[in-house]
Amino acid sequence: EVQLVESGGGLVQPGGSLRLSCAASGFTFRSYWMSWVRQAPGKGLEWVANIDQDGSEQYYVDSVKGRFTISRDNAKNSLYLQMNSLRAEDTAMYYCASWGDWGQGTLVTVSS
Amino acid sequence: QAVLTQPSSLTASPGGSASLTCTLRGGFNVASYRIYWYQQKPGSPPQFLLRYKSDSDNQQGSGVPRRFSGSKDASANAGILLISGLQSDDESDYYCMIWHSSTWVFGGGTKLTVL
Repeated sequence: EVQLVESGGGLVQPGGSLRLSCAASGFTFRSYWMSWVRQAPGKGLEWVANIDQDGSEQYYVDSVKGRFTISRDNAKNSLYLQMNSLRAEDTAMYYCASWGDWGQGTLVTVSS
Repeated sequence: QAVLTQPSSLTASPGGSASLTCTLRGGFNVASYRIYWYQQKPGSPPQFLLRYKSDSDNQQGSGVPRRFSGSKDASANAGILLISGLQSDDESDYYCMIWHSSTWVFGGGTKLTVL
């Protein structure tokens, strides 16, 4: 059974940092592109970042470029999202996903 | 203008059918894309329903009933999710998605009411 389990969310002040993690199991993690997708309260899905199978290519939505970094450790079956210079508009549930499977999400709240 | 446009809401009757559209903006040819469909219930993550590019290139999600099916309307440049035999449990938000230049693009979602 595929499992994607996110962690690392929480309350952070504007300008602060958080590092999200996603532990993957039940599939050959190193064979898949992986993604972070977020959903602000009451809003739709917004793609945040993609990373290819070996981590050599990363892609970001314009609003997070230069602030967020996606990475992976295939030896640990783990995906990460380093989030710096956080803003109120980054407040959302953050999901770790491959195209066919999603985690339960971790909530990030940016507020003073 | 958004790349993918979905109607914000749709109401259909139990036992009937619902056709959810995902229209691609000009410059994005629907024939070139697999259209991914996700269902999301309140308080839960999205769940993959199916992806559809053509009758020979499509995939149903694990455990997803065949009453959920995909198609395209080339004349409208749109992907379609057809749900037949509607049940009250189908009441959800539905999102379409495409891969474009190694990024994901989501539609704004359709809230389906079964009433």
